[in-house]
Amino acid sequence: DTAVSQTPKYLVTQMGNDKSIKCEQNLGHDTMYWYKQDSKKFLKIMFSYNNKELIINETVPNRFSPKSPDKAHLNLHINSLELGDSAVYFCASSADLGEKLFFGSGTQLSVL
Amino acid sequence: GIQVEQSPPDLILQEGANSTLRCNFSDSVNNLQWFHQNPWGQLINLFYIPSGTKQNGRLSATTVATERYSLLYISSSQTTDSGVYFCAVRNSGYALNFGKGTSLLVTP
Repeated sequence: DTAVSQTPKYLVTQMGNDKSIKCEQNLGHDTMYWYKQDSKKFLKIMFSYNNKELIINETVPNRFSPKSPDKAHLNLHINSLELGDSAVYFCASSADLGEKLFFGSGTQLSVL
Repeated sequence: GIQVEQSPPDLILQEGANSTLRCNFSDSVNNLQWFHQNPWGQLINLFYIPSGTKQNGRLSATTVATERYSLLYISSSQTTDSGVYFCAVRNSGYALNFGKGTSLLVTP
């Protein structure tokens, strides 16, 4: 069973569209994250939820909105997609804040 | 914020060789983790090591927190070790800050 799973794996879309990426973890962890990896492989935190509460909200355009319906799920919705949003988005989880981090397999987003 | 520098940026090894990857950080940390991103993009957590030494098979890691560095040792490298190795640290707040990585290629 996959510990942290995210869907879709690939997402190709046109500028201006709205899209969502879903993430689920079956590890029983309290904390979930979204990271963005750019074309140079640099990983940067976007958001973090702990027990469904938003605790990290880095400098990210407000077109990006995370939603955590429960501790096991953290989805990312992106409005009005732009070319610069093209990247790999990784979901991750940890037992608690600052604990060992486990990543999903990533979603390659391409905005045309 | 805390700065994380990894060296070398790129490394090519022949199978069977040993290597040491370094992570320097600019401030004290309470959390340090090493990750391997394989050529298919999967990120695997190798070590959670804010201080001390740990070993896992052919890999080991040492963090000297007082001197603000961590080392990842790869012994008897295999082609499956290829990929990018990331160091990530945290000193305050909740987020891990990642270095730019060391890209490793192990040739047969």
